[in-house]
Amino acid sequence: DTEVTQTPKHLVMGMTNKKSLKCEQHMGHRAMYWYKQKAKKPPELMFVYSYEKLSINESVPSRFSPECPNSSLLNLHLHALQPEDSALYLCASSQGREALRNEQFFGPGTRLTVL
Amino acid sequence: DQQVKQNSPSLSVQEGRISILNCDYTNSMFDYFLWYKKYPAEGPTFLISISSIKDKNEDGRFTVFLNKSAKHLSLHIVPSQPGDSAVYFCAASDFDNAGNMLTFGGGTRLMVKP
Repeated sequence: DTEVTQTPKHLVMGMTNKKSLKCEQHMGHRAMYWYKQKAKKPPELMFVYSYEKLSINESVPSRFSPECPNSSLLNLHLHALQPEDSALYLCASSQGREALRNEQFFGPGTRLTVL
Repeated sequence: DQQVKQNSPSLSVQEGRISILNCDYTNSMFDYFLWYKKYPAEGPTFLISISSIKDKNEDGRFTVFLNKSAKHLSLHIVPSQPGDSAVYFCAASDFDNAGNMLTFGGGTRLMVKP
């Protein structure tokens, strides 16, 4: 299984809602990532989990809260978002620090619209 | 300050010809480079990578060249096919100092005309 899956595919939420994005991989990867991508821009790193521990938080506002329940799952909890947070949210995974190769494999993304 | 730059926002090529996508970087600590392809509303798909100890890596129609002294890499696609039309991102990592972080370029939109 060489796939990263993300649910939901699309999400529309109001500024007072609480929602969660989910990501799953079964490649035995030990590093997982959340990225945000706006139209015509490159992916922008938000969080990195390495061996289920948060290792990088790229100064992301607290209205985004990541969670890594186990080595295969990664969640992104959303609360009190702003319309400018509307974007494609991408999850990725890679083998981790001990691997010589650092290819990150991306999921299809969740298209989030905040009204 | 952009550490990875793709100076051509778009490129148009005839089917069957060679596509050459370019990428420049400024951080001499980058030691691993990757190319991703992205269709609209989908996640990036990994294409090919190269370590800084090599100057060329080939996989089928795709070849990546690395010129460390010029801090430049390029992706060659031969022959180009209409299905190659997508946005291509180059990315770089400094594994020792920044672990698993990738720094992406701004992307180049490739259009392959039949």
